[in-house]
Amino acid sequence: DGGITQSPKYLFRKEGQNVTLSCEQNLNHDAMYWYRQDPGQGLRLIYYSQIVNDFQKGDIAEGYSVSREKKESFPLTVTSAQKNPTAFYLCASKRTSGRLGGNEQFFGPGTRLTVL
Amino acid sequence: EDQVTQSPEALRLQEGESSSLNCSYTVSGLRGLFWYRQDPGKGPEFLFTLYSAGEEKEKERLKATLTKKESFLHITAPKPEDSATYLCAVQAPSSSNTGKLIFGQGTTLQVKP
Repeated sequence: DGGITQSPKYLFRKEGQNVTLSCEQNLNHDAMYWYRQDPGQGLRLIYYSQIVNDFQKGDIAEGYSVSREKKESFPLTVTSAQKNPTAFYLCASKRTSGRLGGNEQFFGPGTRLTVL
Repeated sequence: EDQVTQSPEALRLQEGESSSLNCSYTVSGLRGLFWYRQDPGKGPEFLFTLYSAGEEKEKERLKATLTKKESFLHITAPKPEDSATYLCAVQAPSSSNTGKLIFGQGTTLQVKP
């Protein structure tokens, strides 16, 4: 079955630690996205990538970094510079961009990150 | 500024009691409006895409409609398994090439048996 996988499901981070969240898709989608979800707030875009080896900052990129070395993979690193990283992190992918139709984003199951 | 507002924040219904969820947006030249369902602790599940005012989409007990300023998600004779948070998102013309979406805060629906 095609889909998006995220790992781990739960992650605990100590102060000053960098952690990396995995996101893999086998949908052959070009574009991939990372969102952060906090209680009572809408999803906020962290980073996105429309093509391999290229990515752009979203609305809340400070304290995060990404890479896109393969079409299928878009890992997110939460660095120690992110002061309030406890949140639910969601990865999404999209088939096409710039065309009417086919603009739906499909989401993975999420990773819940907690800072100890 | 492009914005999406969902109301109400929370809705409690009895099983079989039909109702509607609202998504208002302030985007000119909408490039798409999307509805998702999210269960607790899980990722959003795609439901519908609407592109033009007057467009309607249906799936089981759900029907989504679109006007020039808002969208409604109508739930007919809901069942307890329809309990979830429903998210609305829009794509603005400025994001046509990037696919960036603007999300509302969601409406949490609880259907009691």
